[in-house]
Amino acid sequence: SAVISQKPSRDICQRGTSLTIQCQVDSQVTMMFWYRQQPGQSLTLIATANQGSEATYESGFVIDKFPISRPNLTFSTLTVSNMSPEDSSIYLCSVRGGWETQYFGPGTRLLVL
Amino acid sequence: KNEVEQSPQNLTAQEGEFITINCSYSVGISALHWLQQHPGGGIVSLFMLSSGKKKHGRLIATINIQEKHSSLHITASHPRDSAVYICAVRNYGGSQGNLIFGKGTKLSVKP
Repeated sequence: SAVISQKPSRDICQRGTSLTIQCQVDSQVTMMFWYRQQPGQSLTLIATANQGSEATYESGFVIDKFPISRPNLTFSTLTVSNMSPEDSSIYLCSVRGGWETQYFGPGTRLLVL
Repeated sequence: KNEVEQSPQNLTAQEGEFITINCSYSVGISALHWLQQHPGGGIVSLFMLSSGKKKHGRLIATINIQEKHSSLHITASHPRDSAVYICAVRNYGGSQGNLIFGKGTKLSVKP
């Protein structure tokens, strides 16, 4: 299994500012995933972060808005840039374990005013 | 139409009741996950299924691949079971990380 921690757990931010969310895993993993869950909606994959290469973004998400770093096999950051109220969501970090298993972090609850 | 549909969207039960949450999907899958999300937002994986049935404590999950349907059952429900239950599938041929999620079923168990 994998234990994932995220910082911060929640934040309230002003529009136009940026927030960086950290994700730490207790074991080395090749791929880390960042999801967004808007209020009342299902989870949506933002991007896949591989160590040593550029993140792969899903349709509708761009690097300028959601830059991702993956400096090593246990850590990643997601930045939400130039925030607007529409960015208010829960952001979740996730990793795959053994065959088909998947683990999720505790989430970062973001409110943009 | 969403690729993963859950029913009901909301469910209120009395403590001790038997609960069933349903999930239907429209794509070919390699696995189906049942997840539990508590009010703080964190998600816990309950089951991963590719066929048949799994049981863990008071929780039972079943899947019928031919009918593209899965159910999550909770026996002897308890207020601590109150959470959002999410069905997610891994699509054959989809990007390696991508699970397709249902919108969740919000369960409230009253004492």
